[in-house]
Amino acid sequence: ILNVEQSPQSLHVQEGDSTNFTCSFPSSNFYALHWYRWETAKSPEALFVMTLNGDEKKKGRISATLNTKEGYSYLYIKGSQPEDSATYLCASGTWTNAGKSTFGDGTTLTVKP
Amino acid sequence: EAQVTQNPRYLITVTGKKLTVTCSQNMNHEYMSWYRQDPGLGLRQIYYSMNVEVTDKGDVPEGYKVSRKEKRNFPLILESPSPNQTSLYFCASSLQGLAGVADTQYFGPGTRLTVL
Repeated sequence: ILNVEQSPQSLHVQEGDSTNFTCSFPSSNFYALHWYRWETAKSPEALFVMTLNGDEKKKGRISATLNTKEGYSYLYIKGSQPEDSATYLCASGTWTNAGKSTFGDGTTLTVKP
Repeated sequence: EAQVTQNPRYLITVTGKKLTVTCSQNMNHEYMSWYRQDPGLGLRQIYYSMNVEVTDKGDVPEGYKVSRKEKRNFPLILESPSPNQTSLYFCASSLQGLAGVADTQYFGPGTRLTVL
């Protein structure tokens, strides 16, 4: 994988459903992986930054895992609520260029009441 | 209040008329970065700065300039804007310059630029 790829592109779920998205990134020279939550008409807001293989982070109903060897991260939302509706972005960086950040195109989640 | 500010928030201009979008942070952050966002795409990095007087190209630097003369400010300069630079622009900052993108980034409110 040369670029950062996110799937699915969009997702529609019912309130109360649990869901997950995938971020695939280059595993070579991996440095850091970020997840951001981006609501319409607002700025992206950091959810997690992960650097170590096997990292698991949690914030309320949202959690994320990281596999740096195979180059993927999962974001999980348990019991989705309408306020979880947003675009979720991931971004990765490498040791060879620590200042450079490459974003995926995002997964847009819509939670129906 | 700790924040990243951008000005202007909205700008409509014409092809070739030089413009500057300012970015300022009050958190004493070393790392700052500019991104653009286009419909259907994620954020693409234009330029970043890991400390004062240190800047480097991101993925889409063509047509843009930046400077980092002081820690708090990181202006984005479009010397001769063209319609393909119509976009939503975000400035971001994080604490440790040497940590690069391993630090949490805080984003400004965005600047919506239209070049006619």
